[in-house]
Amino acid sequence: EAAVTQSPRNKVTVTGGNVTLSCRQTNSHNYMYWYRQDTGHGLRLIHYSYGAGNLQIGDVPDGYKATRTTQEDFFLLLELASPSQTSLYFCASSEVGTEVFFGKGTRLTVV
Amino acid sequence: QQKVQQSPESLSVPEGGMASLNCTSSDRNFQYFWWYRQHSGEGPKALMSIFSDGDKKEGRFTAHLNKASLHVSLHIRDSQPSDSALYFCAATNTNTGKLTFGDGTVLTVKP
Repeated sequence: EAAVTQSPRNKVTVTGGNVTLSCRQTNSHNYMYWYRQDTGHGLRLIHYSYGAGNLQIGDVPDGYKATRTTQEDFFLLLELASPSQTSLYFCASSEVGTEVFFGKGTRLTVV
Repeated sequence: QQKVQQSPESLSVPEGGMASLNCTSSDRNFQYFWWYRQHSGEGPKALMSIFSDGDKKEGRFTAHLNKASLHVSLHIRDSQPSDSALYFCAATNTNTGKLTFGDGTVLTVKP
């Protein structure tokens, strides 16, 4: 069974704080993605990567950085968190055109 | 701009009825289409893919793709209460590998 593991599962931070969300996949997939999910907006792509050291900009990248350190690991960084970044974040992995496997999500609250 | 649009936003059908969900893309670089389902508290999971014009049937689920109009639909026959969930259409840009989701359709199947 393909696996994508996210950590932490829940996080509360203050406005202006730094947050790092972690994601590891054991699927040997080239592509990894970070999405945010908000009511009424579905899944919106923040950043994605097609391999270690590669980073591609998604549809809602403002306020987010990402880094793909290895084939397995993809990190999402919020350096000056704002309340508008309160959301449910999903990491996912796949090959082009194939089934995407999602993690269980990280619920981030910025107060 | 939203390049994958879904309709309706929500849908209610009686148990045993037929549910029909629609998805339209505005980008001809989108070639690979998938339907995903998300139950409350979980990450999205793949239902089925469709890459060629015409129908594809998997059990109670039938997907239809019209590449000329970039329209994809999902039909669920004999709907069950367990089918109640948020359904997403997703499309992959074959040039960039970017995976874009629609905003989703909330399906409620009433016993």
